This record gives sequence, structure tokens and C-alpha cells, in this order.
Amino acid sequence: SQTIHQWPATLVQPVGSPLSLECTVEGTSNPNLYWYRQAAGRGLQLLFYSVGIGQISSEVPQNLSASRPQDRQFILSSKKLLLSDSGFYLCAWSVQVHNEQFFGPGTRLTVL
Amino acid sequence: GQNIDQPTEMTATEGAIVQINCTYQTSGFNGLFWYQQHAGEAPTFLSYNVLDGLEEKGRFSSFLSRSKGYSYLLLKELQMKDSASYLCAVMDSNYQLIWGAGTKLIIKP
Repeated sequence: SQTIHQWPATLVQPVGSPLSLECTVEGTSNPNLYWYRQAAGRGLQLLFYSVGIGQISSEVPQNLSASRPQDRQFILSSKKLLLSDSGFYLCAWSVQVHNEQFFGPGTRLTVL
Repeated sequence: GQNIDQPTEMTATEGAIVQINCTYQTSGFNGLFWYQQHAGEAPTFLSYNVLDGLEEKGRFSSFLSRSKGYSYLLLKELQMKDSASYLCAVMDSNYQLIWGAGTKLIIKP
């Protein structure tokens, strides 16, 4: 069966510090991968998605970036965090773009 | 613009039935999804509708009317563990999910 992992579970970072969140999927090949951010009381906001190694599409211009160095690994990064980057970050995968998405456990990021 | 509307919060009694509505306006339509999200956890997939009508899965059912831009999630025989947020999401013409803000369902004994 397929499993999706995310770490860390929680993170507290000062403003201006770098960020690296990692997501890995097991039990499937060539998944579509997604990074979302969820702010309190708002819908999930798609940040990046990837249909293959090295292929990244950005939905929201901001100080975040994503990379997919391996088929089942998706990384979310920032060089300098802003207060507004605080939120619940979710990684998800799907078999095809039109299929349901399955979410990892999420990372709760607090920027102080 | 694209928009998904659902009630912010609903309250129901254990053992009862509750209907959570979702209306949408999107650029194209490639299906509607319902997810359940317990506080502090990730969303989990509940149902998918792409054709008009009712899809039933145990205690949960989901209905879609594409002409009205409307869906509902019906939860029967409510249990305390059903207390959660329920997220409605529509896949647009670019196969991207547009998410509603979620409906927080509170179950009382």
C-alpha cells in the first residue's frame, strides 16, 4: 500500500531563517506531488505541483520554492522566512492529475 | 474568479442526520471531492462525484447537480467521531483542485 511521509511535524523558526520541508511517498511510482498551505479558516492553497522529476509548477509567486530531486521526493524550501509563511503545510500525491489526492500528516510551521 | 461556498459551522446531535451543502463557480468542471479533516490532522478522502446524482458509501452519501453548481454531503447515524471539518473541492478545467474553507461539524451527545 502507498504511504506518504512528511517531516518535521512541527517547526518554530525565526523570521529571516531558511526552511526545508521534506515529503516522500512509498509504494507507488511516478506520482503527481503537491504542496499546499492551509491557513486557519481558509481553504487549502496550492503552492506547487510536480508531474515528474525536475518538473515543478508554481501557483503562487512568493519566497518559497520546491524541488523534486527523486521520483518520490518533494522538497519545499525558503531562503528567508516571513511572518506570513506561518501555517499548516501539507504534501499530497495522486496517481493521475484527475484522481483524488492523498495527504501526508502535515507540518505546522510557526515563524516568530 | 473561482469560488467554493460552504457553511462555516454546523451542529448536530449524535444519531441524527446532517446535510452539508457546497456551491461552486469554477472555470470548467472535472469532478467534486469531499474530504474529512479532524483538528490538527491532514484531510482524508471521502467521496468523488463527476456525474449528477447520489453516491452512497456506508453512512456517508454525496450528491451532485452540475447544472446548479451544487453538491451536498449527507452523514447518517452521526457518531461523536464524525466531529471534524468537511472540505468541498472542485477540480477545474486545468485539473487543479479549488478548495472551500471547510465546514466545522460539531456533534453533541
